[in-house]
Amino acid sequence: KQEVTQIPAALSVPEGENLVLNCSFTDSAIYNLQWFRQDPGKGLTSLLLIQSSQREQTSGRLNASLDKSSGRSTLYIAASQPGDSATYLCAVISDMRFGAGTRLTVKP
Amino acid sequence: GAGVSQTPSNKVTEKGKYVELRCDPISGHTALYWYRQSLGQGPEFLIYFQGTGAADDSGLPNDRFFAVRPEGSVSTLKIQRTERGDSAVYLCASSPDPGGGYTFGSGTRLTVV
Repeated sequence: KQEVTQIPAALSVPEGENLVLNCSFTDSAIYNLQWFRQDPGKGLTSLLLIQSSQREQTSGRLNASLDKSSGRSTLYIAASQPGDSATYLCAVISDMRFGAGTRLTVKP
Repeated sequence: GAGVSQTPSNKVTEKGKYVELRCDPISGHTALYWYRQSLGQGPEFLIYFQGTGAADDSGLPNDRFFAVRPEGSVSTLKIQRTERGDSAVYLCASSPDPGGGYTFGSGTRLTVV
């Protein structure tokens, strides 16, 4: 059974810092992986979808990479802003499994 | 529709009652997923539909939970004899095809008192 882990569970950084969020999975035979953002009391907003044939995807200040052989994906956020404060979740779509998320706080 | 719609947004019910939660996916999306999310945790998979059929219902916690998608679009999650432990946010997502990216609805917050 696929297990998805996100470390750290919470992260606090000053505004302007570049940061990396980690997602690891136990079964490397995945088809695709998706990163989401969730604001308190809200639903999940898709950020980036990486297909298994891709190594990375970029959208604005966000870059997600996928290394199937090592069972890892990372979400890089450049020049963080207070508006980036939210919980970030990764999901192995082909296995329908989510991590527990990393709660990010960006301090002004 | 333009997005995934879930109704109601909030539901408070008494222990032992029956509830139905509705999900209206994006038009043309063949895959539909139900998840449950408790506070501070990631979404927990419940059931996946491809078209009208339940392709994977391995996440349903027990036989009090049931879901249907009779015409391959709208889906209803049904919970019988609700328990306080069923309180959570129930999320629905749709995808244009299996393995395609998810689009989520805003969820239904179920509270069993």
